[in-house]
Amino acid sequence: QKEVEQNSGPLSVPEGAIASLNCTYSDRGSQSFFWYRQYSGKSPELIMSIYSNGDKEDGRFTAQLNKASQYVSLLIRDSQPSDSATYLCAVNTGNQFYFGTGTSLTVIP
Amino acid sequence: GAVVSQHPSWVICKSGTSVKIECRSLDFQATTMFWYRQFPKQSLMLMATSNEGSKATYEQGVEKDKFLINHASLTLSTLTVTSAHPEDSSFYICRAQGGIEQYFGPGTRLTVT
Repeated sequence: QKEVEQNSGPLSVPEGAIASLNCTYSDRGSQSFFWYRQYSGKSPELIMSIYSNGDKEDGRFTAQLNKASQYVSLLIRDSQPSDSATYLCAVNTGNQFYFGTGTSLTVIP
Repeated sequence: GAVVSQHPSWVICKSGTSVKIECRSLDFQATTMFWYRQFPKQSLMLMATSNEGSKATYEQGVEKDKFLINHASLTLSTLTVTSAHPEDSSFYICRAQGGIEQYFGPGTRLTVT
């Protein structure tokens, strides 16, 4: 079983809709959780981090963490074509950092 | 905020030559550097982890004699691709970590002809 699993997609949503990206992780001892956005040909950039159960909102982005279910998600409200990218989930366990394979999101104008 | 730089941002080299890629943390001390490789439309693949002043730890399947990593200071790590071949053409990205801070570099696009 992989440490971090994501649906590779592609996920397509119309402009203005909510995009929902999901991630599960295997180690219950994981402490920190991150969402990165990666545009084609570019390095990943951090968009959200979350450390405790519940929701964390930042602008159009909301990260949701459920440690009991070992599940972390990212919601993007009012999706824009510029949100089209690959979204990577990352989990920090001890001093190890694990990345999912990424979910490709396309926002259709 | 903290910034990690990579140099060069892109490089084209001939098969059989060596290429050195630098990764610098500009305003924090990176005790650990991670080197990744990413082929088109594929996910990040961790190649190796290095701690300042120590030998790098390589992931399974990554040739340590081909991908030489040096982490001589808290602000600089280098990856040297020796005797490069076309199959080494890829996007190489470093990630610098120091305490709770960690940032990706902008990446280096290597093309071997």
